[in-house]
Order: sequence, then C-alpha cells, then structure tokens
Amino acid sequence: AQSVTQLGSHVSVSEGALVLLRCNYSSSVPPYLFWYVQYPNQGLQLLLKYTTGATLVKGINGFEAEFKKSETSFHLTKPSAHMSDAAEYFCAVSDYTGTASKLTFGTGTRLQVTL
Amino acid sequence: GAVVSQHPSWVICKSGTSVKIECRSLDFQATTMFWYRQFPKQSLMLMATSNEGSKATYEQGVEKDKFLINHASLTLSTLTVTSAHPEDSSFYICSARDGGLAGGPSYNEQFFGPGTRLTVL
Repeated sequence: AQSVTQLGSHVSVSEGALVLLRCNYSSSVPPYLFWYVQYPNQGLQLLLKYTTGATLVKGINGFEAEFKKSETSFHLTKPSAHMSDAAEYFCAVSDYTGTASKLTFGTGTRLQVTL
Repeated sequence: GAVVSQHPSWVICKSGTSVKIECRSLDFQATTMFWYRQFPKQSLMLMATSNEGSKATYEQGVEKDKFLINHASLTLSTLTVTSAHPEDSSFYICSARDGGLAGGPSYNEQFFGPGTRLTVL
C-alpha cells in the first residue's frame, strides 16, 4: 500500500520568496513520484516527476523537487515565488507495477502568494 | 500533445436523472483511463480504473451500479451517474494513461482532463 503526506494544507509566501512544499511518501516498492498543480475549477497539470535516475528533478515554471530515499521525501521548491504560482499543489505516488498502476494523492497544499 | 478533454465542463441536473460525462484522449491511445472524484478543497479520490474493452475496476466503496463506466475505444471513456442525488454533486476528473510507444517520453504517464462540475438539485 502506498500513501502520501503533505505537511501544511496552506502555505503563504511573499512574491519573490522561496517556495517549499513538503511531501513524504510511503511505498513498499521503489516509488514513482509526481507533483501536480491545480488551478480553480481545472484539472491537474503535471509539474514534474521522478521515476529513476537523477534524484533532483526539474519541472515547469521553475519548480524542482529532490527525491530523498533515506527521508522518504519529495519536497517541491521554487527559488522565487510569482503571483501566478498561487494554486493547489498535489503530491502523488505510483508503484507503476503494470497497466493498472494507480496514483495515490496527498491531501494537497494551497499556495498563497502575497505582495 | 497528450491532451485529454472532458464534456461537459459543467452540468446541472434534477435529482433522479442520469448524467453522462465523456473523457477523450485527443492525440494518443489510452488503454487505461481513470475516474476521480474531488470534493471542495479536498484531494482526488480514485473511483475506478477503466481498461479499453473490459469491465472497469471499482475502488472499495464506489457503487458500480450507480457510476457506470464504459471504455469502448482507445480514445473514449464515459462515466454515467445514474439516478443522481444531491450528494453526488462533485467535481469529476478523468485521466488517461498513454499506452503508446514503449520508451516514449510520456509512456505510462497519466494525463488529466479539465474536470466536470456536477450539481444535482
């Protein structure tokens, strides 16, 4: 069984400040990890993903995340927040064991960016 | 590439009626599609996994007779909410898994539709 924990349901940062959204996972097999962003009344857009290889993953819109197996973490960061980053962010894990591999989502973190 | 559409984007219906939501992969073959439900300010909950040409696999607690899923082609899956009630009001999101060329950059990745807001009066 897999699970995802996102610490902090709501994070507020100033424009230009560092963004750090936390994600810890639990998986019995090597995980595939994802970060998605959701704007109001829209579907999910993939920010970045970790499958294998390099543990520091760069995504769209200046976001990146680092897979740390020893800490079972996959925190999302961005050096400088922009107003357009305000949205809901979901961390997800998949075991990719086959054609019916499923995504398990965290509860989400709402990012607020203030002037 | 890798676009998934949903139709309608929003629907309002009376209690007791049935509503069909379509999910289409526009530029890739989707052997597997997933249906999620999202309540306000909550995460996505997987309802069912739909494989082309076979019966859907429902998650525990999801009524398969109420949420009918059909995946008749590699680009289309439908979710029908039968005899809808106000408690079925929610945001329904589908995703499609790219089952195309193995080794391709998006192989096995899920792509999400824009969602359908269902309101049952």
